[in-house]
Amino acid sequence: EAQVTQNPRYLITVTGKKLTVTCSQNMNHEYMSWYRQDPGLGLRQIYYSMNVEVTDKGDVPEGYKVSRKEKRNFPLILESPSPNQTSLYFCASSRGIPNTGELFFGEGSRLTVL
Amino acid sequence: AQSVTQLGSHVSVSEGALVLLRCNYSSSVPPYLFWYVQYPNQGLQLLLKYTSAATLVKGINGFEAEFKKSETSFHLTKPSAHMSDAAEYFCAVTPYNQGGKLIFGQGTELSVKP
Repeated sequence: EAQVTQNPRYLITVTGKKLTVTCSQNMNHEYMSWYRQDPGLGLRQIYYSMNVEVTDKGDVPEGYKVSRKEKRNFPLILESPSPNQTSLYFCASSRGIPNTGELFFGEGSRLTVL
Repeated sequence: AQSVTQLGSHVSVSEGALVLLRCNYSSSVPPYLFWYVQYPNQGLQLLLKYTSAATLVKGINGFEAEFKKSETSFHLTKPSAHMSDAAEYFCAVTPYNQGGKLIFGQGTELSVKP
């Protein structure tokens, strides 16, 4: 089954404790992206990757890191999480850049930073 | 900077009534436009997309949207609402010449009353 898998789905952590949210897709997609969803703000793009070893900042990259060493994986790293990073995070992928095709989304990772 | 605005964070309709969800974009050059839907506790899925081939775009589940350049709008409609249409709907835009970016609106929550 074609899917985007995120882990963990739920996480409660404390300020400053490094964490990684993994994202994996099994569709051989070149493009992957991370978004955060906050009430009243919609989804905001954090980082995106057009292909392996190619990453670019989205609109809200501060406090986050990403890497794209393999085509299927695109982990999101919070080196020193802060409470303002409490949010619902989505990973997405597509065969080409978004304007040429459909974005497939994972089910989301709800992160709480205390 | 390119942006997209959804008018109305909550819309409530009766079952069988017309659904109209509004979206306006800011751009001097027509961008690529999308509508995504998010059902409770799920990721987003594509409803329809406009890529300049036709101004009236038909999507899944009976939804359609019309691109109006003169009004910089891309409103989503469905002639007859069904209870299963209750969800949050997001308008999104890929700015011209920035294919890696996908900018979402704030979202509109649609409620359908029996």
